[in-house]
Amino acid sequence: AQSVTQPDIHITVSEGASLELRCNYSYGATPYLFWYVQSPGQGLQLLLKYFSGDTLVQGIKGFEAEFKRSQSSFNLRKPSVHWSDAAEYFCAVGLDRDDKIIFGKGTRLHILP
Amino acid sequence: EPEVTQTPSHQVTQMGQEVILRCVPISNHLYFYWYRQILGQKVEFLVSFYNNEISEKSEIFDDQFSVERPDGSNFTLKIRSTKLEDSAMYFCASSEHPVTYGYTFGSGTRLTVV
Repeated sequence: AQSVTQPDIHITVSEGASLELRCNYSYGATPYLFWYVQSPGQGLQLLLKYFSGDTLVQGIKGFEAEFKRSQSSFNLRKPSVHWSDAAEYFCAVGLDRDDKIIFGKGTRLHILP
Repeated sequence: EPEVTQTPSHQVTQMGQEVILRCVPISNHLYFYWYRQILGQKVEFLVSFYNNEISEKSEIFDDQFSVERPDGSNFTLKIRSTKLEDSAMYFCASSEHPVTYGYTFGSGTRLTVV
């Protein structure tokens, strides 16, 4: 069965520093990949998604992610974080066209002033 | 921007009672989902619903759970006899086409079973 792993439970970065959140998936074929963000007390908001084509995808709020098939990874990046980026970030994977998506356990991002 | 609306935002119920969580998906969406998130844990898939029937359900979605789309706008999750371990945040999501657009999630209902 497909799975998605986020190896970092917590990440702390200083405001203005760059960010990379790791995500690895397990599946033989090319999956559909997503990053969601959950601010405290809020629902999940889609940051970006990858289905095919260009392996570097741009999302909202200045985030981007790169799909690397050889590493089964889909890491999320941002060149300069803002205090408002403090939240929980979930990587998710889907398979068939109408299938459910499976979430990783999430990475909680803390921002130092 | 269209939203998925969930009510209530917080519900407290006694163990053994029935609860109904309500969701109003985005109007032109065809795919509907329920997920739950126990405090501090990951978001878990419960059930997907398409064309007026369940398309997939997880092991969590046992006989105590049911979903309905009673009219053209609402999508409900019913838990017949709540247990303490049902305490969680329940998220509804909908999509016009999951792979193309991803899901839009509601803000969730926090269910507390006492």
